[in-house]
Amino acid sequence: QKEVEQNSGPLSVPEGAIASLNCTYSDRGSQSFFWYRQYSGKSPELIMSIYSNGDKEDGRFTAQLNKASQYVSLLIRDSQPSDSATYLCAVNEGAAGNKLTFGGGTRVLVKP
Amino acid sequence: SAVISQKPSRDICQRGTSLTIQCQVDSQVTMMFWYRQQPGQSLTLIATANQGSEATYESGFVIDKFPISRPNLTFSTLTVSNMSPEDSSIYLCSVGTSGIATQYFGPGTRLTVL
Repeated sequence: QKEVEQNSGPLSVPEGAIASLNCTYSDRGSQSFFWYRQYSGKSPELIMSIYSNGDKEDGRFTAQLNKASQYVSLLIRDSQPSDSATYLCAVNEGAAGNKLTFGGGTRVLVKP
Repeated sequence: SAVISQKPSRDICQRGTSLTIQCQVDSQVTMMFWYRQQPGQSLTLIATANQGSEATYESGFVIDKFPISRPNLTFSTLTVSNMSPEDSSIYLCSVGTSGIATQYFGPGTRLTVL
């Protein structure tokens, strides 16, 4: 059973601070890693994808991947109240698999 | 990315009945998936909808309970059959491209079974 693990939170962050979210996965063959943001009552929205070890930056978001440690993280810089949502980590199955396995999600609360 | 719509957006149904959910995409896509998100939970893959052939179901999901059709590359339906209150969930379709794991989600269908 392939697993993706996240802390459920809530992760409470002051406005303007950095939110750090972590995700570990069990499938060593996975090659594609995604972060989705889900607002309450809405569907998941893709915010980041990462495929290679290291960092990938997109605006205020930075994804970090370490395949040796089977660890992927998301940093949200200058957190805003609009960043308050549940963040889902997703990992593909196998080297070229299209199917995704989702973690349980981390709820983030940004306090003004 | 493709524009994805789902119908209905929400419904309240009686136990023992069936509901068919539609997923429409504004462009042809090779991969379509159906997920369930139970209250307060993450996403669980129900099946991969295959164009012109039977869907591929994940462990714990069966065709008799969740029949799926995919007549072309822009449309799919999921039926939730003989519903019970435990089927109350959000049902989501997603789309992707064969060989690329990225998926984009439709707006979801919120189902309540009484």
